[in-house]
Amino acid sequence: EAQVTQNPRYLITVTGKKLTVTCSQNMNHEYMSWYRQDPGLGLRQIYYSMNVEVTDKGDVPEGYKVSRKEKRNFPLILESPSPNQTSLYFCASSPSGTSTQYFGPGTRLTVL
Amino acid sequence: RKEVEQDPGPFNVPEGATVAFNCTYSNSASQSFFWYRQDCRKEPKLLMSVYSSGNEDGRFTAQLNRASQYISLLIRDSKLSDSATYLCVENAGNMLTFGGGTRLMVKP
Repeated sequence: EAQVTQNPRYLITVTGKKLTVTCSQNMNHEYMSWYRQDPGLGLRQIYYSMNVEVTDKGDVPEGYKVSRKEKRNFPLILESPSPNQTSLYFCASSPSGTSTQYFGPGTRLTVL
Repeated sequence: RKEVEQDPGPFNVPEGATVAFNCTYSNSASQSFFWYRQDCRKEPKLLMSVYSSGNEDGRFTAQLNRASQYISLLIRDSKLSDSATYLCVENAGNMLTFGGGTRLMVKP
C-alpha cells in the first residue's frame, strides 16, 4: 500500500530534550516536506527536500533541522525543543513540488 | 511572505444545498493550485487540482481566476459526509502555501 508513515504519532516531552520525528514514504517520491499546523495559522511549511541531499527552508524553519540521506526518509529534528513548538506536524511526499502532496497521519507534539 | 486567504467559516448548510468557497492569493507567480479536504485531526487529502479552464469532479467544481487572483470551490447537493475543512493551496516554485481553511458543516 502506498503510504507516508510518521513516528511517533504522539509525543510529550520537556524543553531542551532533543527529539526526532521520522517520516518514510514508499512511493519513490523525490519531493518531501514537513509542515506544522496550529489553530488559526493553518499549515505552514517548515522544510522541504527536492531529492537526496537537497533540502531547503520553508516558511518557519527556525528551531528545526532535517536531513535527506535516503530517498524514502526525511526525519525532522528538534535539537532543543521549546513550548512554542507544541503543534501538529505533518510530513508529505510527492513526485515533485508542484504536484499532489500525500500526507502522513500527523504527529502531535507537546513540549512542556 | 505571500498569503493565501480563506474565510474560516463555519458554513452551516442543510443537506442538498449548494455552497461555494473562495480563496484569494497574493503571489502572481503562483503556478498551480489545489483544494484539499481535512477531517478533524486527520491529514489533508487532495480533493482536486484547479485548472485555468475550470474543472469538475462529480458534485465539485473548481475555478481559477488569475486576473483577480482567486480560486473557488463549488459543492452541489451537499452530503453530511462533506462536513470537513477545505484548504486551498497555491504553489510557486517548490514551496506550497496553504490557506487557513474553511470549515463546512452539513446538517440533516
